[in-house]
Formats: sequence, C-alpha cells, structure tokens
Amino acid sequence: AQSVSQHNHHVILSEAASLELGCNYSYGGTVNLFWYVQYPGQHLQLLLKYFSGDPLVKGIKGFEAEFIKSKFSFNLRKPSVQWSDTAEYFCAVKGYSSASKIIFGSGTRLSIRP
Amino acid sequence: DTEVTQTPKHLVMGMTNKKSLKCEQHMGHRAMYWYKQKAKKPPELMFVYSYEKLSINESVPSRFSPECPNSSLLNLHLHALQPEDSALYLCASSQDQNPYEKLFFGSGTQLSVL
Repeated sequence: AQSVSQHNHHVILSEAASLELGCNYSYGGTVNLFWYVQYPGQHLQLLLKYFSGDPLVKGIKGFEAEFIKSKFSFNLRKPSVQWSDTAEYFCAVKGYSSASKIIFGSGTRLSIRP
Repeated sequence: DTEVTQTPKHLVMGMTNKKSLKCEQHMGHRAMYWYKQKAKKPPELMFVYSYEKLSINESVPSRFSPECPNSSLLNLHLHALQPEDSALYLCASSQDQNPYEKLFFGSGTQLSVL
C-alpha cells in the first residue's frame, strides 16, 4: 500500500537548534517527493520538492531535504531554526503517472521556543 | 496573481441545508482539487478536475457534488451533510496533473455541520 510516515508528531526546539524531520514512504515505483508547510492561520505552501537529479534539494527559508532511495526516506533539515519556523510540516509523495494522487503524511508540528 | 481564493472562509450549516463552496484561481492552472482536512490530520483528496473534466473521485459520498464551470472556477455543492463532515475544505490548483507540478492551496473553508 502507498503511504507516507512521519514518525515525529510534535517536535519542540529552541531557536538556533538544528532540525531534522523524518519522512519515510512506501510506494511501488518512481516517485516525486514534497515537503509542504502550514504556518499558523495560513494556507499550505510548498517548501521544496524532488523529482529527479541531485538528491539533495534546497528549498525556501533555508530548508533542505535529502532523498535516499535505498532508505525510502526524504528527511527535512535546517541547520538553525527560527521562531518563525513554528508550523505544521507535511511530507508528501506522488507517483510518476499523471493519474496518481499525492499522498500526505500525518504531519509534524514544530514548536520553536524563542 | 499566485493565489487560490476560497469563499466563504467559514460556514455553518444544518443537515438539511444546501450550500456551495467556491474556489477561484487566475494562474491559468488546468488542474484543480478539493481536499478535506480534519484537525491535526493531513489533507485527504476528494476530487481532481483536469481541463474542466472530473479526473479523480476518491469515492466521496454523493452529498458532495463538485462542479468546474470553467478553467478558473471550482465549486463544491453540499447537501444533506452529516456532523462528521465538519472539517476544513481546501481547494488547490496546479499547472496540470503532471506529477512534478506543485500544488497551490487556498486558505480553506472551515465548515461546521450542526
């Protein structure tokens, strides 16, 4: 079955700490991978995506993610978080067919202590 | 204009009411989506329209009826809803259904069914 697992439901960090949010997926075939972010009171927006090429992807606001095919993982990282990074983060996977649907993980709530 | 606009932002309706949710984008996107999101859960796909034709229906109950009158507009008609249908309803769009295209989300309509 196709699925996305985000094992950390709630992560609490202090400002300037380093961040890594885990994402593992189960999908039979080639995939496109995404991280979406939902800031408090705002709509979901794309942080970064991977669909081919360099497995290390850089996104907005200093975030990056690394696709490790052998581990079926696409972890999100940021070397130094800020209070404004407080948000809900969703990992998502989509197959290569235009008929495939995007599947979201359950989300990780990130709280940053000022 | 890179926005997906949803109206209304909030809606309270009784189980016998008929109401409609509206979504609009002027980015020239040809794929539009309805998602349902319960609190602290990931968005769940309901419908996909591609070039104004219904492309995906995720076995959604018939009390939800989507409509795509033109390439910029997407409606969701609601009738005889149940209290468990209370959720945030998100509209999204993308250039097309190509798997690497990112989704642009609206802010959602928070629906309460009494």
